Amino acid sequence: DIQMTQSPSSLSASVGDRVTITCRASQSISSYLNWYQQKSGKAPKLLIYAASSLQSGVPSRFSGSGSGTDFTLTISSLQPEDFATYYCQQSYTTPRTFGPGTKVDVK
Amino acid sequence: QVTLRESGPALVKPTQTLTLTCTFSGFSLSTSGMCVTWIRQPPGKALEWLARIDWDDDKYYSTSLKTRLTISKDTSKNQVVLTMTNMDPVDTATYYCTRRIATRTADYFDYWGQGILVTVSS
Repeated sequence: DIQMTQSPSSLSASVGDRVTITCRASQSISSYLNWYQQKSGKAPKLLIYAASSLQSGVPSRFSGSGSGTDFTLTISSLQPEDFATYYCQQSYTTPRTFGPGTKVDVK
Repeated sequence: QVTLRESGPALVKPTQTLTLTCTFSGFSLSTSGMCVTWIRQPPGKALEWLARIDWDDDKYYSTSLKTRLTISKDTSKNQVVLTMTNMDPVDTATYYCTRRIATRTADYFDYWGQGILVTVSS
């Protein structure tokens, strides 16, 4: 199975901050990398697919980049509704695997 | 409008078999390319992919759980059923069903059910 890691595991930020989360795969996954946002008690929500494509309805302050083994999710200007946990997920092989998550909380 | 909803018991005893049903609308599992996947999340922990069933009845399972899982579909009822045998307290989690979309260059879960919390306890 492909292992996914994320860093940091948590971060504290303020509204307006630029936030960057990194995801790394244990082997090359091309651009088969997705990002999800999960708020407490809710199901995950797709933000970015294929490493850099913005899901319909997702604000443009979210962006993704990377290919191969290293990927980044960036929030250009953090908004109050963005405090949540973020997961990366590879869709290169089955079984699909998720990263351990990055929790973004209030500084 | 695509929706998915999980149903099943909230509490099971150790060693029992868990049966969960995903009832969906807004798409058909008889349509080429459509797939439903089960994912779980223990309290406070990360997401774990469990199993997937495709429109053509192909089935895929978690490497670590494949001996305990069975996934099936009833296309006429728009339902997918997941069974997990020999339940243990470590299987306590919220279980989600999701729709998987696959294209030539992308593959992702675009719609999720609200999830069902299953507690394993005697």
